Amino acid sequence: DTEVTQTPKHLVMGMTNKKSLKCEQHMGHRAMYWYKQKAKKPPELMFVYSYEKLSINESVPSRFSPECPNSSLLNLHLHALQPEDSALYLCASSLGGTGSYGYTFGSGTRLTVV
Amino acid sequence: AQTVTQSQPEMSVQEAETVTLSCTYDTSESDYYLFWYKQPPSRQMILVIRQEAYKQQNATENRFSVNFQKAAKSFSLKISDSQLGDAAMYFCAYNYGGATNKLIFGTGTLLAVQP
Repeated sequence: DTEVTQTPKHLVMGMTNKKSLKCEQHMGHRAMYWYKQKAKKPPELMFVYSYEKLSINESVPSRFSPECPNSSLLNLHLHALQPEDSALYLCASSLGGTGSYGYTFGSGTRLTVV
Repeated sequence: AQTVTQSQPEMSVQEAETVTLSCTYDTSESDYYLFWYKQPPSRQMILVIRQEAYKQQNATENRFSVNFQKAAKSFSLKISDSQLGDAAMYFCAYNYGGATNKLIFGTGTLLAVQP
């Protein structure tokens, strides 16, 4: 298995809703990442988990809450989002904790906040 | 701070021709890693090629090759025999590989392939 699987692929949510994005990999990678990408822009790093511990939080608003239940699974909990949070949310993983071999990305969740 | 610059927002190439995408970066580190990622309309970021800074030999993957000039901090991607499926956004990226483990992306180059 050489994939990073993200669910759902599309999500529409209201500003008062609570939802979660899920990311899963079975490659034995020990680092996992959440990125936010706006149209025609590069991905922006949100969170890094290394060996199941949060190692980087890029000053992301608290309405985004990451969770890493085990080395294969990464969740992003969403609550009280704003319309400007509409974007493509990409999950990635890398072998080891340094990313020197590159990241494997999922195909993303297209989030629309209404 | 490390930065990655892609000066060509858009490029176009004829099918079967060769195109070169430019990337420059700034870093004070001597050991690091550089990547080219492809993002087609399907959204998934696909690793095209990887270069280790301590290796002088330029990386090659089938029709894709790089010209890595460490002193000039330049890392260009050459696509030979361009195919319609090569049409995508291409991002150059840098990773120091240290404890901070942050993949830093350039702004991207949108490549169109004309039949």
